[in-house]
Amino acid sequence: NAGVTQTPKFRVLKTGQSMTLLCAQDMNHEYMYWYRQDPGMGLRLIHYSVGEGTTAKGEVPDGYNVSRLKKQNFLLGLESAAPSQTSVYFCASSYSWGYGQFFGPGTRLTVL
Amino acid sequence: GENVEQHPSTLSVQEGDSAVIKCTYSDSASNYFPWYKQELGKGPQLIIDIRSNVGEKKDQRIAVTLNKTAKHFSLHITETQPEDSAVYFCAAPSGYALNFGKGTSLLVTP
Repeated sequence: NAGVTQTPKFRVLKTGQSMTLLCAQDMNHEYMYWYRQDPGMGLRLIHYSVGEGTTAKGEVPDGYNVSRLKKQNFLLGLESAAPSQTSVYFCASSYSWGYGQFFGPGTRLTVL
Repeated sequence: GENVEQHPSTLSVQEGDSAVIKCTYSDSASNYFPWYKQELGKGPQLIIDIRSNVGEKKDQRIAVTLNKTAKHFSLHITETQPEDSAVYFCAAPSGYALNFGKGTSLLVTP
């Protein structure tokens, strides 16, 4: 099993550009999450999904959108990138509430 | 939502010594507490977790203890090795997700 995979691994954007980050999991997990990690801030939840076709806002959702059209995939979109969105983005999945989350390797995004 | 405080933010120990990281949480209804290890350039990895119906759980050199009355839980690493050097995060449930502590950077020196 590949576990949780993320594409791309690195990306550089100019302010105002858009992009989509893809997360895929092969563990048949119901729950999926997107976090951003910034120095000194720990992991902050952007959006999450508790099943196919569902999404919900986390702690820092502004400027991001998500979609969960298939159970195994969770997409994170930036419609108009801003320098404040420079960060490392992690996707995670879990079997259900109250179970451990499994993380992907991350995407390092720089917005100039 | 759940508020998770983690201490210390940095910890340096000599190889072979023990390391202890402590977290406190605010929601007395919380019942699941995982710990993650993050190595440089990688995603966090679940290393151990504990549920509120037990007070301690061990897995080789690592252990987690839970004090529900005081609302804190701790990670204990014994006989530390250089490969234990990493950032460690605790977490507690918050709605359908987890709230993470801000992390402890552990350095094990030979």
